[in-house]
Amino acid sequence: DTAVSQTPKYLVTQMGNDKSIKCEQNLGHDTMYWYKQDSKKFLKIMFSYNNKELIINETVPNRFSPKSPDKAHLNLHINSLELGDSAVYFCASSQAPGQGKETQYFGPGTRLLVL
Amino acid sequence: GDSVVQTEGQVLPSEGDSLIVNCSYETTQYPSLFWYVQYPGEGPQLHLKAMKANDKGRNKGFEAMYRKETTSFHLEKDSVQESDSAVYFCALREGGGNKLTFGTGTQLKVEL
Repeated sequence: DTAVSQTPKYLVTQMGNDKSIKCEQNLGHDTMYWYKQDSKKFLKIMFSYNNKELIINETVPNRFSPKSPDKAHLNLHINSLELGDSAVYFCASSQAPGQGKETQYFGPGTRLLVL
Repeated sequence: GDSVVQTEGQVLPSEGDSLIVNCSYETTQYPSLFWYVQYPGEGPQLHLKAMKANDKGRNKGFEAMYRKETTSFHLEKDSVQESDSAVYFCALREGGGNKLTFGTGTQLKVEL
């Protein structure tokens, strides 16, 4: 049983296009995240939602818009894709903070290549 | 803001060698500290953690001690194996929040 799943696994697209990445977790967690990992393996948080409410929004261009239809799903929509958006995007989930079980569980990643 | 600095680039020990991967952190709050491991083609996964000063995280022969006086959380192992080859990330979580700040990652390649 996959705990955190993402689709698609690979995404190759042209500059200027709009694309979405979907994430689902079956761990019963309240909090979900999007991370970006660049070509040098640097991992940086982009967004976090707790029970469908946005709680972390790092300095990410407005072209990136997360959406959480329910606490088990967190999708990422990217408008007007640019070459610099090429990266691996990871979804993660955890319990809400303060419960002592905040280990973050990562999905397998979506490899985005913008041509 | 919070920051984590760890051994950069690649570490290339031979199988059976001892290992230390350095990690130092900076934060204004009392953090929890983590090492995550990432195997090729996969997402990071928790390797070990320490929640407070003088705690020691342990997993698969690896250890890391939470040292508040030196703001460090170095990853150590007495004898590495080829199967330990992966990218290792040191990370902190500030106070009662849920935001993880990662170091730049250290690629461990154990040679036979």
